[in-house]
Amino acid sequence: GAGVSQSPSNKVTEKGKDVELRCDPISGHTALYWYRQSLGQGLEFLIYFQGNSAPDKSGLPSDRFSAERTGGSVSTLTIQRTQQEDSAVYLCASSTHLRTGPTNYGYTFGSGTRLTVV
Amino acid sequence: AQSVTQLGSHVSVSEGALVLLRCNYSSSVPPYLFWYVQYPNQGLQLLLKYTTGATLVKGINGFEAEFKKSETSFHLTKPSAHMSDAAEYFCAVSGARTSGTYKYIFGTGTRLKVLA
Repeated sequence: GAGVSQSPSNKVTEKGKDVELRCDPISGHTALYWYRQSLGQGLEFLIYFQGNSAPDKSGLPSDRFSAERTGGSVSTLTIQRTQQEDSAVYLCASSTHLRTGPTNYGYTFGSGTRLTVV
Repeated sequence: AQSVTQLGSHVSVSEGALVLLRCNYSSSVPPYLFWYVQYPNQGLQLLLKYTTGATLVKGINGFEAEFKKSETSFHLTKPSAHMSDAAEYFCAVSGARTSGTYKYIFGTGTRLKVLA
């Protein structure tokens, strides 16, 4: 697609439930990133996929968080047994690391999924 | 390792006045530096970036930033603020050039308010 698409745009869930957040990156972008944006906290890196390489999971806050990227395209971020502190906006971005062009090294972000755990 | 500090979580300027948003970085390798803007209820949009070459970079909407290695700074400026510039601005750093990772570290953001 023309941009990075995230779904759902809003999700309200009960504490203890599992949730899945979806990201559909720009076609041809080999890199995909998940960030979490909490009020006053800036953007917190969660996980990074690059091509067929092993993902960089160093930002995942606990083992309740996991992500996968199937076929080098769509990614799903799963949060198990959600807690209230998981409430945040989850942002997905994709990029290409071509050495030339106006978008090299820059991310294109989706509009995010606002997760509220009640 | 990389880190970013944005001085001032909130900045207010009058319409037509100079906009200056401060960003200082720390990086163990030559940095790539970025500014992103986030309008209410929207995702982040790339304003400008420094990777190599000229240290004064121009971006969209009349913004520019200068990479100053000696000061480890990448401050964002615009000569004349417009009401439509009201948004949150994020500075980011990456050590992609040599570290092999393209993971960007973001600052905590500066919310710009433009007064009529």
